[in-house]
Amino acid sequence: AQKVTQAQTEISVVEKEDVTLDCVYETRDTTYYLFWYKQPPSGELVFLIRRNSFDEQNEISGRYSWNFQKSTSSFNFTITASQVVDSAVYFCALSEPTGSARQLTFGSGTQLTVLP
Amino acid sequence: DGGITQSPKYLFRKEGQNVTLSCEQNLNHDAMYWYRQDPGQGLRLIYYSQIVNDFQKGDIAEGYSVSREKKESFPLTVTSAQKNPTAFYLCASSRGGATYNEQFFGPGTRLTVL
Repeated sequence: AQKVTQAQTEISVVEKEDVTLDCVYETRDTTYYLFWYKQPPSGELVFLIRRNSFDEQNEISGRYSWNFQKSTSSFNFTITASQVVDSAVYFCALSEPTGSARQLTFGSGTQLTVLP
Repeated sequence: DGGITQSPKYLFRKEGQNVTLSCEQNLNHDAMYWYRQDPGQGLRLIYYSQIVNDFQKGDIAEGYSVSREKKESFPLTVTSAQKNPTAFYLCASSRGGATYNEQFFGPGTRLTVL
């Protein structure tokens, strides 16, 4: 069975600090996909990134960057120069292409609070 | 604008009553999903549908039912058999049922049982 662990339940930082959200996953499959979603206070989940298991290249998008390391089964998310608008719950998710659409497993989320 | 709408935003139900949550999408997506979110927890899959007139149970389908008569619509009924229905319910859709497709989410319905 697949599993996603986000050990940091809550993180608070002051604006302009960098912050890294950890995500560790477990899977027996060699082909899988990892996702990050943002859930602002409004409740709607916003897709941030998808990464497949064969692409370990780190990705940067503006102030956001992702570090994927298969050796440690981690897919960490860093926000550089955080802003108050970054305050949200962030979810890491894992999917396995086992022929069924159902297998998207979410972590329990990390509540990020950015203080002004 | 394309997107997913859920209604109502807030719903109150008395114990023993069935209630239906609406989910509509105009993204022309084939696959649709229902998730339940409890405080401090991740999302858990209730039901999903990859095509019209077909749907599959997720991890926590007991006490819930769905229908998929139209591509755009995937309503969820919370029945009286659901023991603890108070939660935040999220509907999502994706281009296809393949698991590499990102899912797009609606704004959610917060259900409270009185």
